[in-house]
Amino acid sequence: DAGVIQSPRHEVTEMGQEVTLRCKPISGHNSLFWYRQTMMRGLELLIYFNNNVPIDDSGMPEDRFSAKMPNASFSTLKIQPSEPRDSAVYFCASSGLRDLSATNEKLFFGSGTQLSVL
Amino acid sequence: RKEVEQDPGPFNVPEGATVAFNCTYSNSASQSFFWYRQDCRKEPKLLMSVYSSGNEDGRFTAQLNRASQYISLLIRDSKLSDSATYLCVVNGAGGFKTIFGAGTRLFVKA
Repeated sequence: DAGVIQSPRHEVTEMGQEVTLRCKPISGHNSLFWYRQTMMRGLELLIYFNNNVPIDDSGMPEDRFSAKMPNASFSTLKIQPSEPRDSAVYFCASSGLRDLSATNEKLFFGSGTQLSVL
Repeated sequence: RKEVEQDPGPFNVPEGATVAFNCTYSNSASQSFFWYRQDCRKEPKLLMSVYSSGNEDGRFTAQLNRASQYISLLIRDSKLSDSATYLCVVNGAGGFKTIFGAGTRLFVKA
């Protein structure tokens, strides 16, 4: 079975450019999470979706960040304009939660996108 | 105060040693708890869930103390391959808001 697929694996861009990170969750999973990881702040939850609907985006740093999930098999995280402090590893994860009252199941992570903003 | 707090370490132990990691969480309404393992430059992967009654998986034992809002992980007979960062994970009501601790680094030496 294919796991969570993220692209690109590495992204190097200049400050001010738009960056789009992509994620394909595991087929059948209905919850999707975007995390950011840095040495200083560890793993931070940015936003999560259930059945393609954003449930909580309180972790999104600022308006430069936006995320979409147009269908059950695809999500994007966009940064526009990018800044050097956005440099981090961005992970997408999915789980098979069925509804808001269900007991949580484990998260499956993609390999991450290493973003460097120069 | 952080929602999930861990001792960052690093813990440096010889092969065969027993090592324990602790984690505290601030939200008393938290409902489920996990330990994840993350190798260098890799994604986190589930190590084990943590149940109120405590649970064991081979050399690994996890404990939960709801009264003290405290989770622990015990590794017996450490192997070189156990070297990694161990992340404490807590979920809120409904299980959606999954919060990770900053992780505890473990180095097992020959």
